[in-house]
Amino acid sequence: SQQGEEDPQALSIQEGENATMNCSYKTSINNLQWYRQNSGRGLVHLILIRSNEREKHSGRLRVTLDTSKKSSSLLITASRAADTASYFCATPPGGGAQKLVFGQGTRLTINP
Amino acid sequence: ETGVTQSPTHLIKTRGQQVTLRCSSQSGHNTVSWYQQALGQGPQFIFQYYREEENGRGNFPPRFSGLQFPNYSSELNVNALELDDSALYLCASSSPGHRLTDTQYFGPGTRLTVL
Repeated sequence: SQQGEEDPQALSIQEGENATMNCSYKTSINNLQWYRQNSGRGLVHLILIRSNEREKHSGRLRVTLDTSKKSSSLLITASRAADTASYFCATPPGGGAQKLVFGQGTRLTINP
Repeated sequence: ETGVTQSPTHLIKTRGQQVTLRCSSQSGHNTVSWYQQALGQGPQFIFQYYREEENGRGNFPPRFSGLQFPNYSSELNVNALELDDSALYLCASSSPGHRLTDTQYFGPGTRLTVL
């Protein structure tokens, strides 16, 4: 079963606009991570935010985390065509197995 | 690039056959995780190896098995292939000394098609 649920499932915007994707999760976490996947290829780690952090920036990326609502958002500012990809949130749900549980992802398309 | 490599890139098998997928972890990483990603879905955790021992398993049947070698490279074996095993198989390695899951570094994946 999926731990995280991304919203929206698909997003299409014009180059230069900002893109916001949301993620909700079910269990308590110690961190939440965002990954990008270009068409059918491996995942690239974008950013990790720990449970005691509320906001984190990396270049054009801004991630927020609200543990009370069990939700996170990823904002990509000044989007570029190269940002076209699927974006996944992933959480380590704790317990004995050290694994990442991914949502179904948001498919982002940047139109030139 | 993450430094994690996988082979082969693509593979076509028929139902009932067996397959072995290989992964070389990033230098210095002693933990390898395997994930299955069906088309249009997020990756699903299969299992993880830490210092050559299985360190957690997802909801996959025993015909999915693995190995980790002393150099921390890893194999994923799938027996008695079924059509639903068609997917992208991803391996990921992670940093030593961080047994709690932190950043995982993914390889490019192996695309398996079962006919």
